Amino acid sequence: EPEVTQTPSHQVTQMGQEVILRCVPISNHLYFYWYRQILGQKVEFLVSFYNNEISEKSEIFDDQFSVERPDGSNFTLKIRSTKLEDSAMYFCASSESGAGGPRGELFFGEGSRLTVL
Amino acid sequence: AQSVTQLGSHVSVSEGALVLLRCNYSSSVPPYLFWYVQYPNQGLQLLLKYTTGATLVKGINGFEAEFKKSETSFHLTKPSAHMSDAAEYFCAVSARGSYIPTFGRGTSLIVHP
Repeated sequence: EPEVTQTPSHQVTQMGQEVILRCVPISNHLYFYWYRQILGQKVEFLVSFYNNEISEKSEIFDDQFSVERPDGSNFTLKIRSTKLEDSAMYFCASSESGAGGPRGELFFGEGSRLTVL
Repeated sequence: AQSVTQLGSHVSVSEGALVLLRCNYSSSVPPYLFWYVQYPNQGLQLLLKYTTGATLVKGINGFEAEFKKSETSFHLTKPSAHMSDAAEYFCAVSARGSYIPTFGRGTSLIVHP
């Protein structure tokens, strides 16, 4: 069964360092997403991406964050200068494309746990 | 904007007992509604969803949920809990036509032998 894969599963970094989280979406999906979950809090939407550009983003997704599809398979989330409050589980997801937008549910990866010290 | 409220951060049941996880939504128009499950060290997996049609929706692993517009609820139930059901359950909502969910805080289901 096709699945979304994420690497690394856990990353520890020092405050101020850049972090790149990687995701390989399901191969025929065209919509990609990042969510995050701070420990004990809600799963929060960060950004959606389609056709090599951001289609929607939340207020959390500020200038410290960026997303990229560097090749035909990977989808990355970069945090430019990490802060303590960036510590969270980051989930990548993908979905199919339909007429006028995404179609069907999101398929999530297992998450990348980021710990900022 | 849509939102969901999940009542109870933890629900504890005995194996074989009824499972009831509560979810209420807030939306100006009937939304799409979802339940996701997260097993330990795994990603979020869709259990079931309501978009249109029958208000009682059946999902995987014997779970079902009923969309009640008058109560703005979408509670998740399972007649008989199994040890393997122990997980975190998330109710989520999206605008009609959008499948991008807004999640609740989650409810941890604990199943006792």
